[in-house]
Amino acid sequence: DGGITQSPKYLFRKEGQNVTLSCEQNLNHDAMYWYRQDPGQGLRLIYYSQIVNDFQKGDIAEGYSVSREKKESFPLTVTSAQKNPTAFYLCASGQQGTPNSPLHFGNGTRLTVT
Amino acid sequence: AQSVTQLDSQVPVFEEAPVELRCNYSSSVSVYLFWYVQYPNQGLQLLLKYLSGSTLVKGINGFEAEFNKSQTSFHLRKPSVHISDTAEYFCAVSDLGSYIPTFGRGTSLIVHP
Repeated sequence: DGGITQSPKYLFRKEGQNVTLSCEQNLNHDAMYWYRQDPGQGLRLIYYSQIVNDFQKGDIAEGYSVSREKKESFPLTVTSAQKNPTAFYLCASGQQGTPNSPLHFGNGTRLTVT
Repeated sequence: AQSVTQLDSQVPVFEEAPVELRCNYSSSVSVYLFWYVQYPNQGLQLLLKYLSGSTLVKGINGFEAEFNKSQTSFHLRKPSVHISDTAEYFCAVSDLGSYIPTFGRGTSLIVHP
């Protein structure tokens, strides 16, 4: 079955450590997205990529970094510069250049930093 | 840039009662509208979408939505809810000017027995 796989589902880290969240898709989608979800704040866009080896900052990119070396993969690194990293992180993919196509989401990674 | 307003952050309702979740968006020439559902600790799943044509759109799990261009609204409805409909619901909009959809803040539907 085609879909998006995020791993791990739960992640615990100490303050000051960088952590990388994995996102893999086998839907052959060009576009991939990372969102952060906090209670009552909906989805906020962190980074997006429309093609391999290219990505753009979203609304809340500070303290995060990404790479897009392969079409299937779009890992997100939460750096120690992110002041409040504890949140639910969602990865999504979609067809590039088609605003009438819905996004496909993974099941998320819940990151807790203490 | 588009904006999406979901007017209710939480909607409590009894089982088998009808429900309407409201969504308004900022106007644009051509918009594409979506409703997604998120169950606890999961990602979002597409409920339904409006691309063009008939203004009444039917989706999965008995949900439907009506596109109203003059009121720039896309309200989600279900005539009779079940306990299993308890979830977070997100309205999203995209247009030809932006390939990145804009999401509302979500509405938490709580179905009581």
